[in-house]
Amino acid sequence: DTAVSQTPKYLVTQMGNDKSIKCEQNLGHDTMYWYKQDSKKFLKIMFSYNNKELIINETVPNRFSPKSPDKAHLNLHINSLELGDSAVYFCASSQNGLAGGNQETQYFGPGTRLLVL
Amino acid sequence: DAKTTQPNSMESNEEEPVHLPCNHSTISGTDYIHWYRQLPSQGPEYVIHGLTSNVNNRMASLAIAEDRKSSTLILHRATLRDAAVYYCILRDRGGTASKLTFGTGTRLQVTL
Repeated sequence: DTAVSQTPKYLVTQMGNDKSIKCEQNLGHDTMYWYKQDSKKFLKIMFSYNNKELIINETVPNRFSPKSPDKAHLNLHINSLELGDSAVYFCASSQNGLAGGNQETQYFGPGTRLLVL
Repeated sequence: DAKTTQPNSMESNEEEPVHLPCNHSTISGTDYIHWYRQLPSQGPEYVIHGLTSNVNNRMASLAIAEDRKSSTLILHRATLRDAAVYYCILRDRGGTASKLTFGTGTRLQVTL
């Protein structure tokens, strides 16, 4: 069983399109995250939700909108895709991102490789 | 989060021990030291973490300097599957929302 899964694995689309990436975790965790890894391999957090509530919102264009229908799912919708959005997007989860210590271990999904043409 | 400094790359022979250093001279008393690694074309993977004492798990050992200004991740016998980018990250135990601030990490190459 995959702990953190993402769909799709690959996404190729044209500039200006709107697309969604889905993430699901079966670990029973309260907190989920979206990270972006660009072409230079820098990995940066974008958003985090704890029990369906937004707790981290980094400086991200408002074309990116996360949605958490329940605590096991965190989806990322991107409007009006731009060339610079091409990257690998990783979803992650942790037991409770608002607590400290051992509970802050994060488990990452396999990534969604987005290419905007 | 406090900053960490790691070498850009390191090489090791298979079956040899590997010591991956990390400097964190501005570490605060409540910062945990976390290590993650990212294998090629995969998501980051938790390796180990510690606060003050040395730590061991099935993947690696973490040696923390007495003043906590540096730490070393030890892979006891490197294999080809250990070739990855290793990230040393500081997390504030008492902070609000948990986020991992990744640096550039150390790219470990393992050769036969």
